[in-house]
Amino acid sequence: DDVVTQSPLSLPVTLGQPASISCRSSESLEHSDGNTYLSWFQQRPGQSPRRLIYKVSKRDSGVPDRFSGSGSGTDFTLKISRVEAEDLGVYYCLAGTYWTFGQGTKVEIK
Amino acid sequence: DVQLVESGGDLVQPGESLRLSCAASGFTFSAYWMNWVRQAPGRGLEWVAKINPEENEIYYAGSVKGRFTISRDNTKNSLFLQMNGLRADDTAIYYCTREVWWSLDYWGQGTLVTVSS
Repeated sequence: DDVVTQSPLSLPVTLGQPASISCRSSESLEHSDGNTYLSWFQQRPGQSPRRLIYKVSKRDSGVPDRFSGSGSGTDFTLKISRVEAEDLGVYYCLAGTYWTFGQGTKVEIK
Repeated sequence: DVQLVESGGDLVQPGESLRLSCAASGFTFSAYWMNWVRQAPGRGLEWVAKINPEENEIYYAGSVKGRFTISRDNTKNSLFLQMNGLRADDTAIYYCTREVWWSLDYWGQGTLVTVSS
């Protein structure tokens, strides 16, 4: 089975400080077309998920540039350069070619 | 603006059936793959099913295969999920989502399905 593992599952943060979430897949996410279909989603409390990043590093319209995605093959990272209060919530990665979400990382105030 | 509005969620008993609907607007519905994703209470996201615009490519998660059927009506800009043989572990919020580039760019607000006796 295809496995996608996020870490950490809980991330206490200090406002204004950076934060980083890892997403690892058991198999390479590089598609035969040369693209890598790894996305990141944010879910604020009581809301539907919202996509932040697609194809590893492409930011969706309206997403603040403090969010960035990187990685290749099986290892990917979502970084928040300076955490703001509105960033609190749960973050999920999605391995598109396997339609598997990571377990989620809860970003909360330290 | 793209809008996805789910409906049909309800409280049902184990073994019963339910049909979810999703009304799409603000984009050319017939041009996109569409998906259902669910989230059990307090849990993470689980992909459920997807369907291509022509309805000739359909895929399901192993947990629902044989019990759930995804379909669409492009003339009515609508997506459906027929759920049979419901079990307690099908209890979740069900989201209608639009697929682009093997990702899900728009999500509805979700509809709650509760399976309990």
